[in-house]
Amino acid sequence: DAMVIQNPRYQVTQFGKPVTLSCSQTLNHNVMYWYQQKSSQAPKLLFHYYDKDFNNEADTPDNFQSRRPNTSFCFLDIRSPGLGDAAMYLCATSRVAGEEQYFGPGTRLTVT
Amino acid sequence: SQQGEEDPQALSIQEGENATMNCSYKTSINNLQWYRQNSGRGLVHLILIRSNEREKHSGRLRVTLDTSKKSSSLLITASRAADTASYFCATETNFGNEKLTFGTGTRLTIIP
Repeated sequence: DAMVIQNPRYQVTQFGKPVTLSCSQTLNHNVMYWYQQKSSQAPKLLFHYYDKDFNNEADTPDNFQSRRPNTSFCFLDIRSPGLGDAAMYLCATSRVAGEEQYFGPGTRLTVT
Repeated sequence: SQQGEEDPQALSIQEGENATMNCSYKTSINNLQWYRQNSGRGLVHLILIRSNEREKHSGRLRVTLDTSKKSSSLLITASRAADTASYFCATETNFGNEKLTFGTGTRLTIIP
């Protein structure tokens, strides 16, 4: 039973062409997170939502935006992808902030 | 800045041996968590240990926490080829900021 689903699993976009990554969850968790992970590095938190309350990390570039239209869905928009934005993007949820997180399989983004 | 640093960065052992990974962190925490990541996939939660706990077990996993030294260790006993993965520690600080900060990870390879 899939709990955190990310689509697509692989995304190729052109330099500067907007792209949207999606995440959905069947866990009914209040908290949702977006991470960026580059090769052989730790996941880096971009944003998180506590219910509808949006929290942006101080060093997340303005190029990255997020939407959470309802409890189940969350989107990551990259307005003008650069070559440096090529990475794995991971969505995660937790029932209580700061506790165990459930991760999706990730979306591998390639920028050409 | 990175909250957690893991040691070693990479570890190769024979199947059946025990594997030990260490995590050090900088600031006071509410809890510390360990996650596993298979290549190109999302993270899987393994175990959570709270700041008032010293040791926790789950199957073949044993986690210790020493808050005076700001360090934790993950022991995997009787390793199997399927344990080959990257292992990350993650801390929730007691600033109430609802998020985890991940360490740099240990790449574990089990040699059949």
